[in-house]
Amino acid sequence: DQQVKQNSPSLSVQEGRISILNCDYTNSMFDYFLWYKKYPAEGPTFLISISSIKDKNEDGRFTVFLNKSAKHLSLHIVPSQPGDSAVYFCAASPREMNNNAGNMLTFGGGTRLMVKP
Amino acid sequence: NAGVMQNPRHLVRRRGQEARLRCSPMKGHSHVYWYRQLPEEGLKFMVYLQKENIIDESGMPKERFSAEFPKEGPSILRIQQVVRGDSAAYFCASSPSRGIDGYTFGSGTRLTVV
Repeated sequence: DQQVKQNSPSLSVQEGRISILNCDYTNSMFDYFLWYKKYPAEGPTFLISISSIKDKNEDGRFTVFLNKSAKHLSLHIVPSQPGDSAVYFCAASPREMNNNAGNMLTFGGGTRLMVKP
Repeated sequence: NAGVMQNPRHLVRRRGQEARLRCSPMKGHSHVYWYRQLPEEGLKFMVYLQKENIIDESGMPKERFSAEFPKEGPSILRIQQVVRGDSAAYFCASSPSRGIDGYTFGSGTRLTVV
């Protein structure tokens, strides 16, 4: 029972163009969403997050959009750079729940982004 | 100003042996979380610990796996009698307080069972 899904295992984009990575979730208790970037042989590093009270959060070249009614979020990277090539994980948490569930992240399966020069 | 330190980075064990994975949290962090990433999958929560306490082990397999975070020293994830299906990357994260704020991951330990 995958509560967070990233349906595209890989994405290839030309340098300078926009990369759009998608993520769907099923648990309506999730109220906080994060994107992590992961290089081979390294741990995930935090990229950007969004609370369910917002529908957009922007940080430089990275923007995350949240559509609560569709239970869908997306990460936009523009312009894409070769150094952005990595695996991107979407993660979610029921952050405001006052129990142990708010201490853990539920991850999607990841999308491998390849940015071609 | 070291981050979350995990060792060893790579660990090879024969079936039936024990594996011990260590995690030292970031300075000032007293909350530790272990996640497992099977090949081609996302990370899955295993256990959440504070010093000398297991807070949530709902993601931990019931047999062969145990975790501790003693008063002194690193957190240890212990896998007894390893099997091939235990081969995975094991990541530790730490945070300064309860919850996901400030979650920082280590570089992981890649366990290979031969």
